[in-house]
This record gives sequence, C-alpha cells and structure tokens, in this order.
Amino acid sequence: GENVEQHPSTLSVQEGDSAVIKCTYSDSASNYFPWYKQELGKRPQLIIDIRSNVGEKKDQRIAVTLNKTAKHFSLHITETQPEDSAVYFCAASKGGSEKLVFGKGTKLTVNP
Amino acid sequence: DAEITQSPRHKITETGRQVTLACHQTWNHNNMFWYRQDLGHGLRLIHYSYGVQDTNKGEVSDGYSVSRSNTEDLPLTLESAASSQTSVYFCASSQTGRGDEQFFGPGTRLTVL
Repeated sequence: GENVEQHPSTLSVQEGDSAVIKCTYSDSASNYFPWYKQELGKRPQLIIDIRSNVGEKKDQRIAVTLNKTAKHFSLHITETQPEDSAVYFCAASKGGSEKLVFGKGTKLTVNP
Repeated sequence: DAEITQSPRHKITETGRQVTLACHQTWNHNNMFWYRQDLGHGLRLIHYSYGVQDTNKGEVSDGYSVSRSNTEDLPLTLESAASSQTSVYFCASSQTGRGDEQFFGPGTRLTVL
C-alpha cells in the first residue's frame, strides 16, 4: 500500500522567512496530494492540494510543487507569520473516493 | 449550515468497557472516515465507508468496528477498550465527484484508564 514520508518533523523559522516541508510517496498510482493545517486543539483543515497533471500550484503565500518522477511533493510558505504556526500534514491518494494516507506531520513554529 | 459533528468531545472510560463515538454529517456526503491521531504517528485510518451498508478496514482497525445504516452517521465502536486506544479520534467526510477534499469533525479525546 501507499506510504508517505514527511520531513522535517519540526521546523522553526523567523517571521518573514520562508518554510519548506517535503513529502515522498511510494505508490506511483497516487494522483491527489493535499496539505492540511492543524492548529493546536483544532481539526485539520485543507489549505492547498495538487493533482498529478500539474507541477505547481499557488495560493497567495503558499505553494505546492510536485515531482512525479521522483515521487515527492513540497509545501512552500513565504513571508511566514506567527499565525502560520501549526502542524502541517501532507497526504496522498489515488483520487476520487480513495482513502488518504497521511504523513506524520511537521510542527512549524514561526517566531516573532 | 451543513457541518460534521462528533460526540462526545471528551470521554474517559475504563479498560474492557464498550465505547461508541458518534459522527454525524449534514452534507449528504457518501464517503466517511475515522482516524486516530497520536503524537509521532500523524493521522491513521481506522475504518471508512463509501456509502450505506458499506464499511472497510483501514490501517489500524483491530479492536474497532463501524456500521453505516444511513448517509449521515458513522459511529465508531471500541468493543473492549484498551489503554492503547487512548487517543484523539477524528471523523471526516467527502463527496465523490465534488473534488477529493475531506472535511474533518472537531475530534473526540478518549482516555482509557
């Protein structure tokens, strides 16, 4: 089955710096890659996703890149702000109704 | 507004007791999922359902069961609670054909003593 590895497990940056979180997946049939943000004590919420037919997607300060050949995808957050502090999860699935397989999460801390 | 709810939000029980966690969504989504979240393990899939009367085992299904008798609800039952099942439980739902986003409930914190 699918296996998703996520690095780093913790990341600390200064406000205004960029943050990058990387994930690799094992199943070449996976074609949907969402990123979820979970603030302390809250539920995970989708912040951005990408499908295998595109290599990059941006939404304001966040972007996701996908390298299908290498089977890895990354989350990029620019101009980080304290409210970006949270745990971020990547996931992979074969799309449609297929179940998501999550990485173990990255705790991002943005220091003012 | 349509939403997904879980109850109870917090539960303390004893080893060996049967516990049922409720999940209810009003979006009429056909897909529903149960995850457990533990430090260092992320979100792990317990059971999932693609529709009424359909249930499937996930990655960590031992000791858990689900049933889907209607579209709105997917209760999760711990047949005989164990301390290893102390965790935060999230249910989620999604709709086939409307993108792949899963919407999560607020979570249930379960402690097994």
